[in-house]
Amino acid sequence: DILMTQSPSTLSASVGDRVTITCRASQSISSWLAWYQQKPGKAPNLLIYKASTLASGVPSRFSGSGSGTEFTLTISSLQPDDSASYYCQQYDSNSPYTFGQGTKLEIK
Amino acid sequence: VQLVQSGAEVERAGSSVKVSCKASGGAFSSYAIHWFRQAPGQGLEWMGGIIPIFGAPNYAEKFQGRVTITADAFTSTAYMELSRLRSEDTALYYCARGLSAAGTWFDPWGQGTLVTVSS
Repeated sequence: DILMTQSPSTLSASVGDRVTITCRASQSISSWLAWYQQKPGKAPNLLIYKASTLASGVPSRFSGSGSGTEFTLTISSLQPDDSASYYCQQYDSNSPYTFGQGTKLEIK
Repeated sequence: VQLVQSGAEVERAGSSVKVSCKASGGAFSSYAIHWFRQAPGQGLEWMGGIIPIFGAPNYAEKFQGRVTITADAFTSTAYMELSRLRSEDTALYYCARGLSAAGTWFDPWGQGTLVTVSS
C-alpha cells in the first residue's frame, strides 16, 4: 500500500497567517491526491482534488500544489473557521486508498 | 446528493453490525459508495466500495472475509456489515460517494455512525 505522511502533525497559527501543510507519498501518485477538512464530531469535507483543483464551494484562500510524491495544502490567510484537522488522500487506481495521519490546525 | 446513515450501534464482541447509508437528491446507481472508519482520535481508513449498478464490491485486504458491502438501487441505500466484531472495531463508520470504484476522491460523506463494541 502507498504510505502517506503528513507534516506537521499539529500546527498553531494566528488569524491572517499563511499556513502550509505537506503530504508525502511513498511512491509516485502523479496528481492523484485529495485534501479534506474535518471538524470535531463532523464528517470529512472535500477541499481539493487532483492535487490542485478546488472543490465546489471551497473558499479561494485554500490552494493545493505538487505532483509525484510531494504535495502541499496552503491557506493564504487563516480564518477562525479554519480550525480543524486536515487529511490528504491518494487515489492511484493501482493501489488501495490511503490517507495521511492528519494535521491538527489550531488558531492562536 | 446527501448521504444519511443509520444511528449509533452497541454490539457485543463476536457479533455483527450492519450500517446503512441512504442517498437522496441525486444519482445513486451509477456512482460508487465507499465505506471508511475512524477509530477514536485516529485517522481515516478505507474499508471497501461498491458501484450499485454493477453490484460487485471491492474490499481492503485488511477487512476481506469480515466485511460485506451491498447496495439496493430501488431504495438508493448502501449497506456495510462487519462481522466477528472485536473491541478494536469501535469507531465512527462513514459512507461517501466516489466517481468510481478505483481512482476517485470522495464527496459528499455521510454524517457517520458510531459503532461501539463491548466485551
